[in-house]
Amino acid sequence: EVQLQESGPGLVKPSQSLSLTCSVTGYSITSNYWGWIRKFPGNKMEWMGYISYSGSTSYNPSLKSRISITRDTSKNQFFLQLNSVTTEDTATYYCARYTPGARDFDYWGQGVMVTVSS
Amino acid sequence: DVVMTQTPVSLSVAIGQPASISCKSSQSLVGTSGKTYLNWLLQRPGQSPKRLIYLVSKLDSGIPDRFSGSGSETDFTLKISRVEADDLGVYYCLQGTHFPHTFGAGTKLELK
Repeated sequence: EVQLQESGPGLVKPSQSLSLTCSVTGYSITSNYWGWIRKFPGNKMEWMGYISYSGSTSYNPSLKSRISITRDTSKNQFFLQLNSVTTEDTATYYCARYTPGARDFDYWGQGVMVTVSS
Repeated sequence: DVVMTQTPVSLSVAIGQPASISCKSSQSLVGTSGKTYLNWLLQRPGQSPKRLIYLVSKLDSGIPDRFSGSGSETDFTLKISRVEADDLGVYYCLQGTHFPHTFGAGTKLELK
């Protein structure tokens, strides 16, 4: 079964970078697409972007200048980096498998809550 | 960005009764392939989101047929024929036709 698990610091200072790891088991990240979604306090959800089986990426334009999604195929992990964070980046971050056939997410990680605060 | 307007914001339903959630998009969700990329997810309390329905009406594996999805172009509906206790949580629609993909604001289903 496909399983995803996010990890990373739960607290980041304003203006610093947020870095998260998604570890995938049960499926190779060299197949399919892999994405990040975040849920803000109050339920709003935002699609952040994804990385494909070939390493190409697609990002939400609202984040384009600050976001980077990369991967390490040897560890079957992919990563999120979000630069110059503010308190508005406080959210629960989820990694998920993106299905291009349906253009949605069929397997999700448990999520990691990240607070941006000094 | 495509705006997904989801109603109602909250819904209180007794067990065994039906429930319906609407999702309207600001643009047609028919893609160039002819497919309509409208999906529904449920986030139960304390859990991550789970896919219920994709491509408007296709149930994900293991999803009971009490759930159904319908609609076209800009107007979509999720129906639960008989609500069960396990159905409580926040329901979201998600459009995948246009980039960036966008979510509805969520509908919280509570048990009456």
